[in-house]
Amino acid sequence: GENVEQHPSTLSVQEGDSAVIKCTYSDSASNYFPWYKQELGKRPQLIIDIRSNVGEKKDQRIAVTLNKTAKHFSLHITETQPEDSAVYFCAASGYSTLTFGKGTMLLVSP
Amino acid sequence: DGGITQSPKYLFRKEGQNVTLSCEQNLNHDAMYWYRQDPGQGLRLIYYSQIVNDFQKGDIAEGYSVSREKKESFPLTVTSAQKNPTAFYLCATQQGANTEAFFGQGTRLTVV
Repeated sequence: GENVEQHPSTLSVQEGDSAVIKCTYSDSASNYFPWYKQELGKRPQLIIDIRSNVGEKKDQRIAVTLNKTAKHFSLHITETQPEDSAVYFCAASGYSTLTFGKGTMLLVSP
Repeated sequence: DGGITQSPKYLFRKEGQNVTLSCEQNLNHDAMYWYRQDPGQGLRLIYYSQIVNDFQKGDIAEGYSVSREKKESFPLTVTSAQKNPTAFYLCATQQGANTEAFFGQGTRLTVV
């Protein structure tokens, strides 16, 4: 089955800095890669996703890049704000279930 | 609340008792999922169902059971065979493969 590794497990940045979270996957058949944000005590919510026919996707301050050859994808957050503090999960799927990484706790200090 | 309702929000269970967590959706999604969340472990799949009256085991199905008698409902029973049931349980739905997964607000189960 699919295996998703996510790094780092925790990330502390100053407000205004950029943050990068990286994930690798094992199944070359995977073709859908979403990122979820989970604030403390709340449900995970999709913030951005990318499909295998695209190398990069942006949405305001967040972007995701995908390298299918290396089987890794990354989340980039620019100009971080305190409200970006949360746990972020990457995931991968082919035509079956989503496999999630273990999560990255991002702390943005004012 | 995103069309997925989980109840109760908090649940306490004595050791040796079975307990059932409710998940109802009004999104008309075919696929429904149960995940378990523990600190530092991410979201681990317990069971999933892609159609009524059919379901499959996920990665950590031991000690759990489910049913899917209606499209809208996918209850999870935590049995006494689950050795470490204290966790946060999330229900999710998808319209189809490789689409956004929508999550319920979760149920925090504590064994006392």
